[in-house]
Amino acid sequence: QVQLVQSGAEVKKPGASVKLSCKTSGYTFTAYYMHWVRQAPGQGLEWVGRIDPKNGATNYAQKFQGRVTVTRDTSSSTAYMELIRLRSDDTAVYFCMRGSGSDSSPVWSQGTQVTVSS
Amino acid sequence: DIQMTQSPSSLSASVGDRVTITCQASQDLKIYLNWYQYKPGKAPKLLIYDASKLAIGVPSRFSGRGSGTDFTFTISSLQPEDIATYYCQQYNNLITFGPGTKVDFK
Repeated sequence: QVQLVQSGAEVKKPGASVKLSCKTSGYTFTAYYMHWVRQAPGQGLEWVGRIDPKNGATNYAQKFQGRVTVTRDTSSSTAYMELIRLRSDDTAVYFCMRGSGSDSSPVWSQGTQVTVSS
Repeated sequence: DIQMTQSPSSLSASVGDRVTITCQASQDLKIYLNWYQYKPGKAPKLLIYDASKLAIGVPSRFSGRGSGTDFTFTISSLQPEDIATYYCQQYNNLITFGPGTKVDFK
């Protein structure tokens, strides 16, 4: 079955960077967009950006432009999200989400906690 | 970016009550709108896609309607396990989530 497995929890200091991974299995990695979504304490779900694994093309939410980079490794069917210049308000659970297709629903990972604290 | 609004931001209801949430988009979405249920510590659960289609395995008490810029989500008879935050999400142009509606018991 389709699975998205993320790397483990991260604790970072303000100003640092974090790179999360999302390893996929059970489907053709290049056939679906991969999105990154976060949920900060007391806040709503927030779309961060996406990648087309077929060609590496990316789109980012305006809020994160210049601070986020989404990449992929097709050989390992893994997507990555790097966020730089971390702030305390980047503390959140980060999810990767496989996009939907004509006959398939979105699939979500279990989420990874990122904590930014001095 | 497409902006999404939801109302109410929170509501309190009793078991068996009918619950309705509205979602409005700043641009025409056609029918490209999902509704998600979110409980802390879990992945969001897709309930409705294409504005009105019930996702696989989702109870029929959940429903959605609308097109264009105005959408409605309804729980016909609130159950204890429905206590959660509900989000609309557009996918006509990239992705945007609404601010969410927190549903709890009166």
